[in-house]
Amino acid sequence: GDQVKQSPSALSLQEGTNSALRCNFSIATTTVQWFLQNPRGSLMNLFYLVPGTKENGRLKSTFNSKESYSTLHIRDAQLEDSGTYFCAADSNYQLIWGSGTKLIIKP
Amino acid sequence: SVLLYQKPNRDICQSGTSLKIQCVADSQVVSMFWYQQFQEQSLMLMATANEGSEATYESGFTKDKFPISRPNLTFSTLTVNNARPGDSSIYFCSSRDRQGWEQYFGPGTRLTVL
Repeated sequence: GDQVKQSPSALSLQEGTNSALRCNFSIATTTVQWFLQNPRGSLMNLFYLVPGTKENGRLKSTFNSKESYSTLHIRDAQLEDSGTYFCAADSNYQLIWGSGTKLIIKP
Repeated sequence: SVLLYQKPNRDICQSGTSLKIQCVADSQVVSMFWYQQFQEQSLMLMATANEGSEATYESGFTKDKFPISRPNLTFSTLTVNNARPGDSSIYFCSSRDRQGWEQYFGPGTRLTVL
C-alpha cells in the first residue's frame, strides 16, 4: 500500500477561505517536507519539519511523529496558492512522496 | 537554500535519438538527484549522483538508458538514450541544502518524444 497517503486528492476553495491538507505515513520517518508545484510546473519547498509545528505567513504545518501524520493549513487562500501540494517523508535520506493534493482557488 | 538551473527547459525529439539535460547548482552540493514526473503524477526518484562516483539508480531506471555524469560538486548531466514516447515527461534535478535538510529543485526539463 501507499507509504505516504495524502488527502484529499483534489480540493476547490473560494478565495479567502481556509483549508487543511493531510499526509499519513506508514513508514518510519524522522522529518517531513512539503512542496508546492505551481501550474507552470516549478517546485517550491514550503516546509522542512522535525516533529512540531512551523508557520510561514498564511501557511502552518505540523508533523506528529507519534501518530505518523502531517498537516498543512492554508489560511485566507489566495489565487496564487493554486497548484499541487506534495508531502514527502524523509526515510534513510530519501524522500518518499505522496501522490499530491491538487488545489484550485476560485475568485 | 540552493538554486538549481537546468537546460534545456523543454525539448522535442524523435524516437531513437538521445538528448542531454544539464543541471548547475549555485553552490557545491554533495548529492544531486534526478527525478521523473509524468503528467498529473507524483515525482519518481531516478538516481542519486555524487561527485566522482557512479550514480546509484532506483528500480526501473538503468545506466544504459539514463546515464548520469557528476564531474564536480556543482554540475550534473542526465542523458536519455534511445528516447521513446514513454519517456515523455518532466525531468527535475534536485539537491539538499548545505546541512542536508531542505530539498530544492531545478525548474524542470519538459521532454516530448515523437
